[in-house]
Amino acid sequence: EIVMTQSPATLSVSPGERATLSCRASQSINSLLAWYQQKPGQAPRLLIYDASTRATGIPARFSGSGSGTEFTLTISSLQSEDFAVYYCQQYNNWPRLTFGGGTKVEI
Amino acid sequence: QVQLQESGPGLVKPSQTLSLTCTVSGASIRSSESYWSWVRQLPGEALEWVASIYYSGSTYYTPSLESRLSISLDMARNQFSLRLTSVTAADTAVYFCARDRGGSYYDSWGQGTLVTVSS
Repeated sequence: EIVMTQSPATLSVSPGERATLSCRASQSINSLLAWYQQKPGQAPRLLIYDASTRATGIPARFSGSGSGTEFTLTISSLQSEDFAVYYCQQYNNWPRLTFGGGTKVEI
Repeated sequence: QVQLQESGPGLVKPSQTLSLTCTVSGASIRSSESYWSWVRQLPGEALEWVASIYYSGSTYYTPSLESRLSISLDMARNQFSLRLTSVTAADTAVYFCARDRGGSYYDSWGQGTLVTVSS
């Protein structure tokens, strides 16, 4: 199983600031990584796939980078609606998709 | 716009069978471009892939639950279903159905349904 490790577990940021979230894979997953945003009581929402491609309707302030084992999600200027939990997910080892433990972005 | 909606009992007794159905609208489960999946989220925990099915009937299960799992399609109703037998409190979770685009990421999700295993 490919283990996905996210850091930090919690990120405290002020509105308007930049947030940088990290995700590490236990082995190379090429660029087969997605990022999701989840708010309380809601389903996850796809933000980024193939490590750096924004999903339909996702604002440009969200960007993804990385390949191999190290990945980053950057939110360039946090808006109030961006405070949520963010998960990374690998699909290099399909169908055994695995998720990271999440990073909570809080005010 | 693709929409998925889970349905099923919110409370299941230990040792019984958990049965959930996902109704899909805005897309056909006959599509060769998609796999249809179940993902669960244990209380306070991260997300866990449970099972997936392809329109051809090919099924895929997470190894830790495989002996207790069954996933199926109902083409006529554009639905897919999950059965998990011999449940315990450890199976208490929010269960999401989701569309997997061509064996990769999940681009559409249901709202999720909380299933509690308790006597």
